[in-house]
Amino acid sequence: GAVVSQHPSRVICKSGTSVKIECRSLDFQATTMFWYRQFPKQSLMLMATSNEGSKATYEQGVEKDKFLINHASLTLSTLTVTSAHPEDSSFYICSARWSTDTQYFGPGTRLTVL
Amino acid sequence: SQQGEEDPQALSIQEGENATMNCSYKTSINNLQWYRQNSGRGLVHLILIRSNEREKHSGRLRVTLDTSKKSSSLLITASRAADTASYFCATDAQGGSEKLVFGKGTKLTVNP
Repeated sequence: GAVVSQHPSRVICKSGTSVKIECRSLDFQATTMFWYRQFPKQSLMLMATSNEGSKATYEQGVEKDKFLINHASLTLSTLTVTSAHPEDSSFYICSARWSTDTQYFGPGTRLTVL
Repeated sequence: SQQGEEDPQALSIQEGENATMNCSYKTSINNLQWYRQNSGRGLVHLILIRSNEREKHSGRLRVTLDTSKKSSSLLITASRAADTASYFCATDAQGGSEKLVFGKGTKLTVNP
């Protein structure tokens, strides 16, 4: 199956700092990438949909100025959590798809904001 | 609100037994997918079933889809301890939406 990587896998930062998470499709060109957030023992909540070369589409309730998404190429999307606060601590997962209906997921990034 | 709802929320069985998980959804769909997630890890795609299909098999997995009842089931036969994970169904709405809506998941524990 298609491989999607995320970096870093874990990050701990101080409150007020910004954190960038990378999502890469390693063996295919992703026309669309998605960013999800998952709280402990809960399901995935879609944050935004990102298409290469265009602005991301954010879900209702997700602050676009806080969660900056850049989809610079067909293999890379980045999520930057700006001015992070403890309530932003969560598991962030990206996924990517090209022409099929299947989304391939990255391994996730555990963000802890102190 | 989330479209998919799995039940049971948690399931504990012995190795060798079969595990059945159910998923219900609310709106018309193009397809339904099942994913698996080991604790603290990403999701692994298991199987996709389209709205015009009723049953699909992949190895020890069997998925059914009943669009009249807006429900699906995932059966894992001859379970193994390594099947211990959370299982999620995800649907995409008719109309060409790329978005997947995930259910709350079933946490499966297979005891050796």
